[in-house]
Amino acid sequence: DSGVTQTPKHLITATGQRVTLRCSPRSGDLSVYWYQQSLDQGLQFLIQYYNGEERAKGNILERFSAQQFPDLHSELNLSSLELGDSALYFCASSGTSGSEQYFGPGTRLTVT
Amino acid sequence: QQQVKQSPQSLIVQKGGISIINCAYENTAFDYFPWYQQFPGKGPALLIAIRPDVSEKKEGRFTISFNKSAKQFSLHIMDSQPGDSATYFCAARGGGSTLGRLYFGRGTQLTVWP
Repeated sequence: DSGVTQTPKHLITATGQRVTLRCSPRSGDLSVYWYQQSLDQGLQFLIQYYNGEERAKGNILERFSAQQFPDLHSELNLSSLELGDSALYFCASSGTSGSEQYFGPGTRLTVT
Repeated sequence: QQQVKQSPQSLIVQKGGISIINCAYENTAFDYFPWYQQFPGKGPALLIAIRPDVSEKKEGRFTISFNKSAKQFSLHIMDSQPGDSATYFCAARGGGSTLGRLYFGRGTQLTVWP
């Protein structure tokens, strides 16, 4: 158990809909990272937050957005969903060094 | 463009054998190289990591060998066990403006036969 929690575990929704994925980092970790894992793209970095502020952005679509709240939990919002958005979405957290990133169990999103 | 290239895609090893997975990178700004282990239905779990100023790091049966001049690093699993059967990912952490983000290889599916 990494100490990172994610909800929900599974999500099935229709094209065009909007969903919110939630992540709670390990106790004391200020950085939260979001990654997408799919068969064709592998594990891809989406976005990083540090203590409530956006720190880095990767291959994140404009339809996707994220935020980190004062209690350090983070949410990833996916809108206007397409079939190709079906994937595993992982959240990871790290301490101030940013070196060791610990991953949560993921949310499996299926868009039908 | 794949920043970290990993091979082989799949690997079958007999119990007690040595599993070797290789990775290569181009960006010399990468400053930290972790390996992750992922079981089906689970998130990637940090296994072992190395910094570029060290040529080798060993933790139990797992060893990372790092060749900075060749921009290559590898994971060796000694005395491989059936419980090691999983997908392994190498990664590299970006430096500078991309500090923090991990670039992952495509993964190696390891199967250890009893």
